Amino acid sequence: AQKITQTQPGMFVQEKEAVTLDCTYDTSDQSYGLFWYKQPSSGEMIFLIYQGSYDEQNATEGRYSLNFQKARKSANLVISASQLGDSAMYFCAMRELFGNEKLTFGTGTRLTIIP
Amino acid sequence: NAGVMQNPRHLVRRRGQEARLRCSPMKGHSHVYWYRQLPEEGLKFMVYLQKENIIDESGMPKERFSAEFPKEGPSILRIQQVVRGDSAAYFCASSPTSTVSNQPQHFGDGTRLSIL
Repeated sequence: AQKITQTQPGMFVQEKEAVTLDCTYDTSDQSYGLFWYKQPSSGEMIFLIYQGSYDEQNATEGRYSLNFQKARKSANLVISASQLGDSAMYFCAMRELFGNEKLTFGTGTRLTIIP
Repeated sequence: NAGVMQNPRHLVRRRGQEARLRCSPMKGHSHVYWYRQLPEEGLKFMVYLQKENIIDESGMPKERFSAEFPKEGPSILRIQQVVRGDSAAYFCASSPTSTVSNQPQHFGDGTRLSIL
């Protein structure tokens, strides 16, 4: 079974600062993928970034980067130069790389950017 | 925009009625997933379907809930005899035919179900 833990229910960050959202995971699978999704107040789920368990380099997508520490089973999301539009819920999720593709989600972190 | 289309966006039902939620996957996607999100919680997997087949329904309640993905037409999540506890946001996601590992699931905007 897979489990995702997000220990920060809410965070407040000043605009233009960087922010790190924590995510730890637990799995017995050797091959897995880690995902981050953003859910703004309008409710849709927006894919942000992906990291595969065998990827040697940390993933980056624009202002988003993933700090992947496999030995610690952590996959923290880093948002650089935060903007007001970054205010949203952020969910970490994972799935097996081979076989069933269902996603297991964490409980999320509500990020609020302060002007 | 040929994204995942869900309808209706909002659905209100009285206790005991039936709710039907529809999902059209992205063009070229043949894998469909349904998730449920209770208020202030993360998404919980319900069911995974491919065309005319249920692959994994381990997250579906045993009673009153069913899902299908026919050869033609959208995927349907059906909830019979709804109760207040069914009030939630229901999300559909789709992914491509190939199981390339880094393919994210693309989500629809969800259906907010409210039970009176």
